[in-house]
Amino acid sequence: GAVVSQHPSRVICKSGTSVKIECRSLDFQATTMFWYRQFPKQSLMLMATSNEGSKATYEQGVEKDKFLINHASLTLSTLTVTSAHPEDSSFYICSARDWGVHTDTQYFGPGTRLTVL
Amino acid sequence: SQQGEEDPQALSIQEGENATMNCSYKTSINNLQWYRQNSGRGLVHLILIRSNEREKHSGRLRVTLDTSKKSSSLLITASRAADTASYFCATENSNYQLIWGAGTKLIIKP
Repeated sequence: GAVVSQHPSRVICKSGTSVKIECRSLDFQATTMFWYRQFPKQSLMLMATSNEGSKATYEQGVEKDKFLINHASLTLSTLTVTSAHPEDSSFYICSARDWGVHTDTQYFGPGTRLTVL
Repeated sequence: SQQGEEDPQALSIQEGENATMNCSYKTSINNLQWYRQNSGRGLVHLILIRSNEREKHSGRLRVTLDTSKKSSSLLITASRAADTASYFCATENSNYQLIWGAGTKLIIKP
């Protein structure tokens, strides 16, 4: 099946720094990617829908200036957490839809665990 | 709220028993999907059922969907210790976004 990778898998940073997380579809083109965050012992919350070549669509309550999303190519979307603070510590997961073959299926990355000190 | 609801929140059963988890949602859907997640790890896609389907099987898994009640159930038969994990349902809406349930934490006791 299709594979989605995320990098890095784990990052620890100081408060106030910015962190970039990459999401790549490895063997298919993804015009649409989704970003989620998951707090410990909780479910996933959709943060934004990333569309190749256009601006991302953010869910209510998600600050677009805080969580910058760039979907510059059909295989790469990036999420930058700007001026990170301890409350941004979370598990960030991306997914990508494979429109070409399995029209129902989203493929998930393994997640990035962000810890802000 | 964006989230759907799942029950029970936690379920602890003996190995070999069947486990049933339920999911309810609020809006119309394209499909409903079930995922498993081991503690602190990524998601594993288990099964997808389309809105025009009522039941689906995959190995020891059986999923039902009742669109009139906006609910689904996941049955795991003959449970194993390795089935211990959190299970989430997610519904795909008309924008192809996945809306997630709160999850059920399943513990299989050996």
